[in-house]
Parts: sequence; structure tokens; C-alpha cells
Amino acid sequence: DAGVIQSPRHEVTEMGQEVTLRCKPISGHDYLFWYRQTMMRGLELLIYFNNNVPIDDSGMPEDRFSAKMPNASFSTLKIQPSEPRDSAVYFCASVLRGGYTFGSGTRLTVV
Amino acid sequence: GENVEQHPSTLSVQEGDSAVIKCTYSDSASNYFPWYKQELGKGPQLIIDIRSNVGEKKDQRIAVTLNKTAKHFSLHITETQPEDSAVYFCAASTIGSGGSNYKLTFGKGTLLTVNP
Repeated sequence: DAGVIQSPRHEVTEMGQEVTLRCKPISGHDYLFWYRQTMMRGLELLIYFNNNVPIDDSGMPEDRFSAKMPNASFSTLKIQPSEPRDSAVYFCASVLRGGYTFGSGTRLTVV
Repeated sequence: GENVEQHPSTLSVQEGDSAVIKCTYSDSASNYFPWYKQELGKGPQLIIDIRSNVGEKKDQRIAVTLNKTAKHFSLHITETQPEDSAVYFCAASTIGSGGSNYKLTFGKGTLLTVNP
């Protein structure tokens, strides 16, 4: 079991550019969560999916953020256009019956 | 919605001492309380959890206690070792039959440093 795979591990981009973060959950897990982690705000829930369907996106900061889960083995979080305040570590977590497995995260830096 | 407060934000102990981290929650419907350990450059990892029908749970050197009436729960680490140094997060959720969403609300984290 390779666990939850996130890519890229690090991303540095210029303000205004589009950024796409990727997540491959654990096979058989039926929930997928996207979290953002910063020193100031801790771990914030952005959006989560159940069986590939978005359930709650109330944590998405604004329209610049969007997330998709086209199938059970892949999800993306897109920021367009990116801004310096989006700099954070973004985690996805694959969940089965309440048990969370986090990926190693993507450290995003927007300059 | 649920609000989880965690204290202290930093904790420094000597190797071999005990460490205690405390959390309070606001939603009386919460019934699942996991603790996560996050090492540098990694995602949080579950170390222990407790459900609301249990008051205490132990796993070797770590234990968690829950007081439902007071809405607080604590993590206890005994005989601390340098490899216990990490950020620890508490969380709360409502899980079970019907309407579970498994959405976790996290505390802000505690940076534990164990000095050799």
C-alpha cells in the first residue's frame, strides 16, 4: 500500500499563475478531504468528497479555488489566479469509516 | 459548528518526563476524538483515538482521557523520548450511523520538544 500520494511535493509559482495540486487516495476509501495548513490558521478544511461527489465546499476561500474528483483514484485542487496569501501546505486525506490517512502534502509558495 | 481549543501551543520537557496536552470542544454531538502527530515535512499521523462511550484509552506510553460532561479530552505521554518531539493535534468529529460526514475539526496544535 503506497498510501496517499500527493504531487508535487513543492511548488513555487508567480502571482497570477494557475496552480494544480494532485492527490491519489487509497483504493477503497470513500471520502477524500482537502486541508490547508498555515502557522496562523492551523489545519483548515477546504472541501471534501464522498464517493467522488463534492459534499461541502464551504471552506474554499473564494472563487479562485476549485476542486474536482473525476474518479475514485484522483482528485485535483486548482488555484487560478494564485496570490501570495495562498502560500501554505496543502494536504489531502483519504478516509475510510472515519479513519484518516494524510498524504505528505504540497508546499506551495506564491511569489 | 464545532470549535476545538488546544493548550499549550508549545511544551518543552526533559526526556523521561510526562507530557500532557489538553483540548476542549464545543459541540456536544461530537463523539470521536483522534490525536495526530505531525513530524517535520510529513502529514499528520493518527496515534490514538477515543470515542465518547469510553473514558480512557491507553496504548503503551500514550493515553487519552475524555470528560464528556466538561467537553474536554487530554493526551498523556509518559516516559517521553526525543523521537516524541513533533507537533500534536487534537480533533473532534461526529461519526456513526446516519448522517456521519467524518469531518474533523482540528485544534491549532502543540509543538512538543523533548530535550535529551
